[in-house]
Amino acid sequence: ETGVTQTPRHLVMGMTNKKSLKCEQHLGHNAMYWYKQSAKKPLELMFVYNFKEQTENNSVPSRFSPECPNSSHLFLHLHTLQPEDSALYLCASSTQTSGGPYYNEQFFGPGTRLTVL
Amino acid sequence: TQLLEQSPQFLSIQEGENLTVYCNSSSVFSSLQWYRQEPGEGPVLLVTVVTGGEVKKLKRLTFQFGDARKDSSLHITAAQPGDTGLYLCAGAPGNQFYFGTGTSLTVIP
Repeated sequence: ETGVTQTPRHLVMGMTNKKSLKCEQHLGHNAMYWYKQSAKKPLELMFVYNFKEQTENNSVPSRFSPECPNSSHLFLHLHTLQPEDSALYLCASSTQTSGGPYYNEQFFGPGTRLTVL
Repeated sequence: TQLLEQSPQFLSIQEGENLTVYCNSSSVFSSLQWYRQEPGEGPVLLVTVVTGGEVKKLKRLTFQFGDARKDSSLHITAAQPGDTGLYLCAGAPGNQFYFGTGTSLTVIP
């Protein structure tokens, strides 16, 4: 138990569906992250939020839309996804990232296993 | 080409054996982190190395940061089945944060 929870744990959706992934952290952190983990590829950082403000968007397609209503909650809204978007989506949190070359320890949730048909 | 290359990609050993996994890059890092990810879970931080040449020990795990801060190694002594997992190095050479390609370790009882 890392203090970061993600729901749902598994999700199967069609390409025309709209769904949302939810992440909640109980650690009092101010930074939250979305990662994508695909088979045979490194973990890819998608979005970073610091104090509810998006500070990084690593060229993620617009069919992925993040939302951070407060420092404890993070959502990833999904629409018109492609089969290649099937992956494990991991949420993480940390104390405020320095925004420079050093990132503080990140605490990860268990992930949502997404399958796009 | 990945920014952080890890080798080997897969490793299967018997309980009690020693092993070393590597994390290499052509970029210089101000720090590197090592994480372990077990099946069905997210990665968990093991250690952060900051200074070139630094060696850190965590029980049977020894981490070393290269003198030039471009590479790192993880040595496990007397591996146990509980060491099974995906080992990931990670760092930020600039303002972007990257994970390595990972080494999947299986320790057979």
